[in-house]
Amino acid sequence: NAGVTQTPKFRVLKTGQSMTLLCAQDMNHEYMYWYRQDPGMGLRLIHYSVGEGTTAKGEVPDGYNVSRLKKQNFLLGLESAAPSQTSVYFCATERRNTEAFFGQGTRLTVV
Amino acid sequence: LAKTTQPISMDSYEGQEVNITCSHNNIATNDYITWYQQFPSQGPRFIIQGYKTKVTNEVASLFIPADRKSSTLSLPRVSLSDTAVYYCLALDDKIIFGKGTRLHILP
Repeated sequence: NAGVTQTPKFRVLKTGQSMTLLCAQDMNHEYMYWYRQDPGMGLRLIHYSVGEGTTAKGEVPDGYNVSRLKKQNFLLGLESAAPSQTSVYFCATERRNTEAFFGQGTRLTVV
Repeated sequence: LAKTTQPISMDSYEGQEVNITCSHNNIATNDYITWYQQFPSQGPRFIIQGYKTKVTNEVASLFIPADRKSSTLSLPRVSLSDTAVYYCLALDDKIIFGKGTRLHILP
């Protein structure tokens, strides 16, 4: 039982490159989330999904896209990376209004 | 926007009881009060959740008065390993984090 797995754990991108972060869960949870956390700051919600095939914008969605084609996977895409997107990205899953489980994080640096 | 307000930081000593108060004046009827703990370089970890009155588990207690406009997380007999950031959330249809409280436990 892996829980919530994020891939990759680390990545360095050049400005303008694209990439996709994968979040995979084996807990059959409906809700999935993507956050970013900058140094010394709290987590900010980028996008979230309340079920397979659904996505919604969070607090800071600009520059990111997401897809939830399968219930167990939530993908976060950066179409054209910018230095301002350097951050640690966390994925989370939950059954609504219960305990949320977080991945180990993806540390992304854009140079 | 986060619906909650909590102190930016707190210091305490090992063995003490620590109480962190969270204000949520505009909490909605369906919102649950939930607390998370986060260590550096790790994702947040669920501590406790409640709707009203008192909830207790093996690590903490949560006190919510009848008007539900505030809540208090109580950590009994803290240790150095309790140094972390603690987030108070009022959950509705999605999880929004505020700035959290940086708790520093001193020896």
